[in-house]
Amino acid sequence: EPEVTQTPSHQVTQMGQEVILRCVPISNHLYFYWYRQILGQKVEFLVSFYNNEISEKSEIFDDQFSVERPDGSNFTLKIRSTKLEDSAMYFCASSAGTGGETQYFGPGTRLLVL
Amino acid sequence: LAKTTQPISMDSYEGQEVNITCSHNNIATNDYITWYQQFPSQGPRFIIQGYKTKVTNEVASLFIPADRKSSTLSLPRVSLSDTAVYYCLVGVWAAGNKLTFGGGTRVLVKP
Repeated sequence: EPEVTQTPSHQVTQMGQEVILRCVPISNHLYFYWYRQILGQKVEFLVSFYNNEISEKSEIFDDQFSVERPDGSNFTLKIRSTKLEDSAMYFCASSAGTGGETQYFGPGTRLLVL
Repeated sequence: LAKTTQPISMDSYEGQEVNITCSHNNIATNDYITWYQQFPSQGPRFIIQGYKTKVTNEVASLFIPADRKSSTLSLPRVSLSDTAVYYCLVGVWAAGNKLTFGGGTRVLVKP
């Protein structure tokens, strides 16, 4: 069964450093998403991406965040200058599109900002 | 956006049926009801979705009364591996739409 994959599984960084979280969505899916979950809290939507542009973003997704689909397979989330409060589990998801709206989530990247 | 209310936690035993009820009093006409499951340190996983009446798949059943103001996820004969957080989501089911998660129901299955 096709899966969304994410790398790395864990990342530790220093405050102020840039991090790039990588995702490989399910092949042939057209919609891509990033969510995050701070430890013990709800899963929160960050951004959705379609046709090489952002479809929707939340208030969390400020200028420090950016997303990119650099090639036909990868989907990345960049945090330019990490803060302590960016420590969370980051989940990538993808969905096929019209007629296939179910979002399939990856295993997540646990980001720890020190 | 329809707000959902579900129990914070539930305990059960292996082999029992678990029923989780979610209230969504202000559900809109175009809203669907979707349930996701999340194991510790994993991403949420789609379980089942419905609009009205009853939906059943190989994992669970979803019961939705005529007024659609609540829904019940039923997990038949749970096992230890069903220990997870279960989320009830209500919203328009369309490509690209964000999912809005609440606090979920933490189900603990005991031996």
